[in-house]
Amino acid sequence: DAKTTQPPSMDCAEGRAANLPCNHSTISGNEYVYWYRQIHSQGPQYIIHGLKNNETNEMASLIITEDRKSSTLILPHATLRDTAVYYCIVRVANQGGKLIFGQGTELSVKP
Amino acid sequence: GAGVSQSPSNKVTEKGKDVELRCDPISGHTALYWYRQSLGQGLEFLIYFQGNSAPDKSGLPSDRFSAERTGGSVSTLTIQRTQQEDSAVYLCASSPRVRGANYGYTFGSGTRLTVV
Repeated sequence: DAKTTQPPSMDCAEGRAANLPCNHSTISGNEYVYWYRQIHSQGPQYIIHGLKNNETNEMASLIITEDRKSSTLILPHATLRDTAVYYCIVRVANQGGKLIFGQGTELSVKP
Repeated sequence: GAGVSQSPSNKVTEKGKDVELRCDPISGHTALYWYRQSLGQGLEFLIYFQGNSAPDKSGLPSDRFSAERTGGSVSTLTIQRTQQEDSAVYLCASSPRVRGANYGYTFGSGTRLTVV
């Protein structure tokens, strides 16, 4: 599975959009981009995933560049409860196997 | 059940004792995963079960660790002769496996193991 690079930490003002970047320059054609988050003292929570098209759900939007070498997770109106570690993971879908979590980005949403 | 259930939520054990951690996945989920997370650290993959296939045990740190999944549902992670470095939160996750579909994992709340 391709490796990802994320900034270790970011701050965001409450109510503003949080844009979390992820680089995955070695991603291959059949690898998806997944995002999870882990709020303190809880298990990780699935957020969203995509292959090449931009995706949106009730939690977030995922923007993937045309060359697929990077992506951005967007939380449109961050709240204090969005403070968490956000993990970007790339892997082949539909073949099972484990997700490998990196160090992620620690997002702090401040009032 | 509605989510992944893990028990116990907290376990304190003496060094050298054996412990068993239990995971009840979401009904119908064929894939089950164990991870552990030491204090302030990232998630470390331990073992993965998929249906009737042989489990992927590549993440187990030593032969003191083992896991089984009975009847394709409940899983038990066993740690023999526990050491202080085994202290961590042990997380279980499950996911469905449907041809042509692609789903994320659902994690449980974990078991916090403290070896004293």
